[in-house]
Amino acid sequence: DAKTTQPNSMESNEEEPVHLPCNHSTISGTDYIHWYRQLPSQGPEYVIHGLTSNVNNRMASLAIAEDRKSSTLILHRATLRDAAVYYCILMALRGSNYKLTFGKGTLLTVNP
Amino acid sequence: DAGVTQSPTHLIKTRGQHVTLRCSPISGHKSVSWYQQVLGQGPQFIFQYYEKEERGRGNFPDRFSARQFPNYSSELNVNALLLGDSALYLCASSGAETKNAAQHFGDGTRLSIL
Repeated sequence: DAKTTQPNSMESNEEEPVHLPCNHSTISGTDYIHWYRQLPSQGPEYVIHGLTSNVNNRMASLAIAEDRKSSTLILHRATLRDAAVYYCILMALRGSNYKLTFGKGTLLTVNP
Repeated sequence: DAGVTQSPTHLIKTRGQHVTLRCSPISGHKSVSWYQQVLGQGPQFIFQYYEKEERGRGNFPDRFSARQFPNYSSELNVNALLLGDSALYLCASSGAETKNAAQHFGDGTRLSIL
């Protein structure tokens, strides 16, 4: 599986934008970039995914580098409820394996 | 609409026993996956089922098994429990078999082995 690298932790202030980086230098041409987050005492929650173009949804935006070797999850205005572990995951389209391979993720702390 | 539901929420077992964990996917979802999350780590993939067929298996011993029923609900069975099996067991469902489909997770079953 292609590997992703994320900072262990990041800190933000409430109502400010947050940019969560992810490096995936060994990504293949057919790998989708997925982001999930896990709030305390809950299961992971899907945030967003993309292939090549930048993506927006009601939760966040995903900016993908032109060479696809890195991506950034953008929370436009952080709230206290956004405090969670954020996982950047590559989903390979090759073969029949549909698993999500989670790393340790980035622990986001949001200060009031 | 109900999300993914798992039962029980908490369970305590002793070494050597077996356990069955249950998962009901979101209505209409035919794919169910199981993950194990040890404290302080990200979830690790155990199994994926689609239309009652096993489509993926992670690096777990044969003590771990699963099945999916005609109504798409699923069970995860673990035999001969070890202390190291203590973890949060997560179930996820998906509405499509395609690999870019979002996975919807339940809040898990917390299994403690004494």
